Amino acid sequence: AQRVTQPEKLLSVFKGAPVELKCNYSYSGSPELFWYVQYSRQRLQLLLRHISRESIKGFTADLNKGETSFHLKKPFAQEEDSAMYYCALRVSGGYNKLIFGAGTRLAVHP
Amino acid sequence: DTAVSQTPKYLVTQMGNDKSIKCEQNLGHDTMYWYKQDSKKFLKIMFSYNNKELIINETVPNRFSPKSPDKAHLNLHINSLELGDSAVYFCASSAPDRALDEQYFGPGTRLTVT
Repeated sequence: AQRVTQPEKLLSVFKGAPVELKCNYSYSGSPELFWYVQYSRQRLQLLLRHISRESIKGFTADLNKGETSFHLKKPFAQEEDSAMYYCALRVSGGYNKLIFGAGTRLAVHP
Repeated sequence: DTAVSQTPKYLVTQMGNDKSIKCEQNLGHDTMYWYKQDSKKFLKIMFSYNNKELIINETVPNRFSPKSPDKAHLNLHINSLELGDSAVYFCASSAPDRALDEQYFGPGTRLTVT
């Protein structure tokens, strides 16, 4: 079955603390994974994708096929990082179908 | 403004009614999507159209019918609304090139069925 699991509904940290938002997936094919973010009163938007291996706004995510994980990390959280974060798996078939996790709300306190 | 737009933003209606939500994108994308976000913020794909052709059709009650008059528009019509249809519905679009496969989301339409 194709599934994305984000075990934490809420992650609450203080400014400057490290952040790790967990994402695990279940997929028999070759996975393509993404992180989308929704800031307050803004649209859902792409944060990063695993194939790019890039750092966006200080966030990185590494695909670990052995552990079937794609955790999102940032060494020093900022208040403006507070948002809803969704991990998404693109399934093969050429139709750009995304399976989203349930989302994790990140709250960064001053 | 270059974006994905949805109308209306809010929709409050009674059970049994029929309603439509409209979506338009001016990004020149070929593919459009409808997602449902439930009260627990869980986001699930419902439909996708590529150049007016239905390509993704998830397990959705047939009271929901998408319609794409052209590749810039994808409307969602819902018949005989039920309480469980209350949710936020998001439209999205993406370009056909896999290198440009980011999905661009609309602002959402909050549907409340009473």
